[in-house]
Amino acid sequence: GIQVEQSPPDLILQEGANSTLRCNFSDSVNNLQWFHQNPWGQLINLFYIPSGTKQNGRLSATTVATERYSLLYISSSQTTDSGVYFCAVERVWTSYDKVIFGPGTSLSVIP
Amino acid sequence: DTGVSQNPRHKITKRGQNVTFRCDPISEHNRLYWYRQTLGQGPEFLTYFQNEAQLEKSRLLSDRFSAERPKGSFSTLEIQRTEQGDSAMYLCASSPRGYDQPQHFGDGTRLSIL
Repeated sequence: GIQVEQSPPDLILQEGANSTLRCNFSDSVNNLQWFHQNPWGQLINLFYIPSGTKQNGRLSATTVATERYSLLYISSSQTTDSGVYFCAVERVWTSYDKVIFGPGTSLSVIP
Repeated sequence: DTGVSQNPRHKITKRGQNVTFRCDPISEHNRLYWYRQTLGQGPEFLTYFQNEAQLEKSRLLSDRFSAERPKGSFSTLEIQRTEQGDSAMYLCASSPRGYDQPQHFGDGTRLSIL
């Protein structure tokens, strides 16, 4: 089945710093999303981005589908950015592994 | 929209008992997903509905697990003869019609097996 990798697995940032999170996937996909799981366990959709670049405030994401990777940029990080960031890929026509989440990047932003 | 609602928030039960969880998706979202998440892991896909039709099931979904979505509205996930390994957070997500729509997650049901 399709493999999804994320790097780095853990990241500690000083408040105000910038960071880039990466998601690699091993096969073509139809959809890709980035999620933030906050310390209370809530999963929040950040971007739906199967290709191209999107920006939302201090966050932006780029997916290069032909090279099978996506990047999430966090600028001017804040303590509320702490949590785990997941990328998830979806394939429309498949029997079993319709949606596959990566293992996540655990981010801690310290004041 | 009131968001995806899941009940109960927590369920504690003895091994061997049956449990049922409910998910109410965002109104007019025709696509509904169930996931399971254990500590330190990303969510694992369990099953997917489009309207009332269960279109896909993960190989992780043993025959003790069954899901329904009558009338294409709310969905239930039942686990029969629960085992210790079933302890996890069970998450539901919904998305609107079309394959280019993001998923919106509920807060989950945490299952603990004694």
